Amino acid sequence: DAGVTQSPTHLIKTRGQQVTLRCSPKSGHDTVSWYQQALGQGPQFIFQYYEEEERQRGNFPDRFSGHQFPNYSSELNVNALLLGDSALYLCASSLRFRGQETQYFGPGTRLLVL
Amino acid sequence: AQTVTQSQPEMSVQEAETVTLSCTYDTSESDYYLFWYKQPPSRQMILVIRQEAYKQQNATENRFSVNFQKAAKSFSLKISDSQLGDAAMYFCAYTVYMEYGNKLVFGAGTILRVKS
Repeated sequence: DAGVTQSPTHLIKTRGQQVTLRCSPKSGHDTVSWYQQALGQGPQFIFQYYEEEERQRGNFPDRFSGHQFPNYSSELNVNALLLGDSALYLCASSLRFRGQETQYFGPGTRLLVL
Repeated sequence: AQTVTQSQPEMSVQEAETVTLSCTYDTSESDYYLFWYKQPPSRQMILVIRQEAYKQQNATENRFSVNFQKAAKSFSLKISDSQLGDAAMYFCAYTVYMEYGNKLVFGAGTILRVKS
């Protein structure tokens, strides 16, 4: 049973650039959530997707956007990168039904903005 | 306020001993789920244990158990017979239900060191 996968594992960008991170959910899951984890801190919720739409969003600017595809995989896009966007980006998958929303995480993508 | 407080930034335990990690949270909901996740240096966030708030019985998973005190909004994790592989950052989290979905709110984490 394949778990949550993310790509790439590491990424280095410069300020002002744009980046796309990818996530494939655990087999059978239909919901994908994205989190940003700054060094030494707990993850912060960015947004959640199911049925190919953004359903909920945390306190992140519009520079952060996403997409979910018919096969439930997802992308996180960040435009106009800032130094403060350097973090570990975690994708988590789950089922959308109440009581079954336990989120399982991927290995993350480490983004460094120079 | 949606907050999780882990008051112990760092804990140490001797191999084969027992350690308890503390967590308190703030929610106005009556139905929610609580979790402990483990994040080793490899950084993959791994689910350790889950507790449903409407269940009074404390969850147990092998060497891991919780002490859930709903009125006190406390959710501590006990690790028995600690092993070197238990060394990691441990995060306490709970589910917040929103209008069209849900999210996890995490604490700042507790680093657990296991001494041989």
